[in-house]
Amino acid sequence: IAGITQAPTSQILAAGRRMTLRCTQDMRHNAMYWYRQDLGLGLRLIHYSNTAGTTGKGEVPDGYSVSRANTDDFPLTLASAVPSQTSVYFCASRKRGDTDTQYFGPGTRLTVL
Amino acid sequence: GQNIDQPTEMTATEGAIVQINCTYQTSGFNGLFWYQQHAGEAPTFLSYNVLDGLEEKGRFSSFLSRSKGYSYLLLKELQMKDSASYLCAVLDSNYQLIWGAGTKLIIKP
Repeated sequence: IAGITQAPTSQILAAGRRMTLRCTQDMRHNAMYWYRQDLGLGLRLIHYSNTAGTTGKGEVPDGYSVSRANTDDFPLTLASAVPSQTSVYFCASRKRGDTDTQYFGPGTRLTVL
Repeated sequence: GQNIDQPTEMTATEGAIVQINCTYQTSGFNGLFWYQQHAGEAPTFLSYNVLDGLEEKGRFSSFLSRSKGYSYLLLKELQMKDSASYLCAVLDSNYQLIWGAGTKLIIKP
């Protein structure tokens, strides 16, 4: 693995179903983030984790949950998907240092019908 | 509230120069980022400004004025591959990134 990976690449899901989006990084970054991106809107933060074992809510956390059992993995779970959760989901990790730059995974395109 | 404004879309000609503006109002400021995002792909880091002035990196430069809450991204010698969305983001007092909606840049031959 090099950088950040996300799985699946895309998914079509029936409303009401449970879904977990996976995110793994091998850069040993402490902080990780989940965003959703919708047409015409900026990236919106769903949940974040500043370090393994801790998580926090972002701007749009409702309907989503996360866990951070270790440094590398940060899964995002939709307990009962709804059509408004149709979006592109990006996972990111942050390198602490001079610039606090965030690096992004390739994204998961989720459609909820 | 927190707000970042940038134009929705811009068009420029191959070989020319284009300036993409970004204005912001945020709770605290710990730096401003520009990212490039090609259609269907993830955002990739372009530049970071935390002090006033111009940062130059090859064909791309980024300027910041903290007193005016203003930044711009300058792209020189435009190439067709520069067609993409350009995202402005501010690191707020909680070290969270606040994102603009992005500027779609269309390059014409």
